[in-house]
Amino acid sequence: NAGVTQTPKFRILKIGQSMTLQCTQDMNHNYMYWYRQDPGMGLKLIYYSVGAGITDKGEVPNGYNVSRSTTEDFPLRLELAAPSQTSVYFCASRDGTSRSYEQYFGPGTRLTVT
Amino acid sequence: QKEVEQDPGPLSVPEGAIVSLNCTYSNSAFQYFMWYRQYSRKGPELLMYTYSSGNKEDGRFTAQVDKSSKYISLFIRDSQPSDSATYLCAMRDTGFQKLVFGTGTRLLVSP
Repeated sequence: NAGVTQTPKFRILKIGQSMTLQCTQDMNHNYMYWYRQDPGMGLKLIYYSVGAGITDKGEVPNGYNVSRSTTEDFPLRLELAAPSQTSVYFCASRDGTSRSYEQYFGPGTRLTVT
Repeated sequence: QKEVEQDPGPLSVPEGAIVSLNCTYSNSAFQYFMWYRQYSRKGPELLMYTYSSGNKEDGRFTAQVDKSSKYISLFIRDSQPSDSATYLCAMRDTGFQKLVFGTGTRLLVSP
């Protein structure tokens, strides 16, 4: 049971390039989330999904896109990378039937845009 | 005004000290309150979860919620160097599917 896995761990992008951050969970959770974490700013929600085929915007969705074709995978796409997207990105999942509302986080992807 | 306020620290204490970490919030609809612990270069992990007001204890950790003051606390007794991490509070209301996180407080426990 690997939990939530994210690839890559690190990436350096040039301004204007595109990339996809991968996220996979093996817990059969219906809810999945993408956050970014900037120093001193806490976790900001980018996009979330309540199940395969259903996604919705979070607090800071501009410059990002997501898709959810399977329960396990929730990739985050960055188009036309900008320096403001330099951050640590975390994917999380949770069981929608759990009362504790616990979100399980992946190890993160550190992205630098120069 | 931010929806959730948390002092970023760092908070430095000697081993064995009692630590108090706090968050204030403005949304009176919040009903579920959580504390996540995040070690350096790792993802957050759930530490404590509380519904509505009151106290909850788990080993050396106690979570308190005072809804009348819109104030939540996490107490760590007999702090250990392994407790050195960033502690994030998080909360949500009953119908909302999203958590609102505080900025996190960095705790350093020296041996």
